[in-house]
Amino acid sequence: EDKVVQSPLSLVVHEGDTVTLNCSYEVTNFRSLLWYKQEKKAPTFLFMLTSSGIEKKSGRLSSILDKKELSSILNITATQTGDSAIYLCAVASTSGTYKYIFGTGTRLKVLA
Amino acid sequence: NAGVTQTPKFRVLKTGQSMTLLCAQDMNHEYMYWYRQDPGMGLRLIHYSVGEGTTAKGEVPDGYNVSRLKKQNFLLGLESAAPSQTSVYFCASSRQQETQYFGPGTRLLVL
Repeated sequence: EDKVVQSPLSLVVHEGDTVTLNCSYEVTNFRSLLWYKQEKKAPTFLFMLTSSGIEKKSGRLSSILDKKELSSILNITATQTGDSAIYLCAVASTSGTYKYIFGTGTRLKVLA
Repeated sequence: NAGVTQTPKFRVLKTGQSMTLLCAQDMNHEYMYWYRQDPGMGLRLIHYSVGEGTTAKGEVPDGYNVSRLKKQNFLLGLESAAPSQTSVYFCASSRQQETQYFGPGTRLLVL
């Protein structure tokens, strides 16, 4: 059965800290891994990773995929209170028909 | 360009009642999805569609039906609501094999 596991489940840090969120997967016919940020409502897209070892960056956020280890990390440097959210990892599979498998998310709280 | 919209935003049902959730997208996406999100469970796929007139079951399809009569709309129906269907429902759309764009969600409470 396909699954995506995120760790930690929750995290509390102070502003300025650096955090690393983990996502591991067991998915047949892997196509890509996606990270989303979910604040109060809809998840919003952060990154899509398809190639191993290539870091993607957007401001203070960065992410990298390791296909050998079947995992990805999301780094946030110099955290701010606005980074408080649930971070979701999803893996896109082409088994049968294209679909996404989501992890349960990591809840990040950044204290001022 | 509204992106993905969902109607209604919030609804309370009694057990056994029926309702339809509407999802609309204006990005001309082929793929549309319905998810439910429950505490500690992440997003679980209910049904999805890869094009107008086609639908397929996802991970948790029981108790739900869907229709995609127009490319821009994807409807999720609950024929006989149960308390276990209390959840937040998200619709999403995407181009083929690209990132998904999510709607704002519908909060459903079944008493």
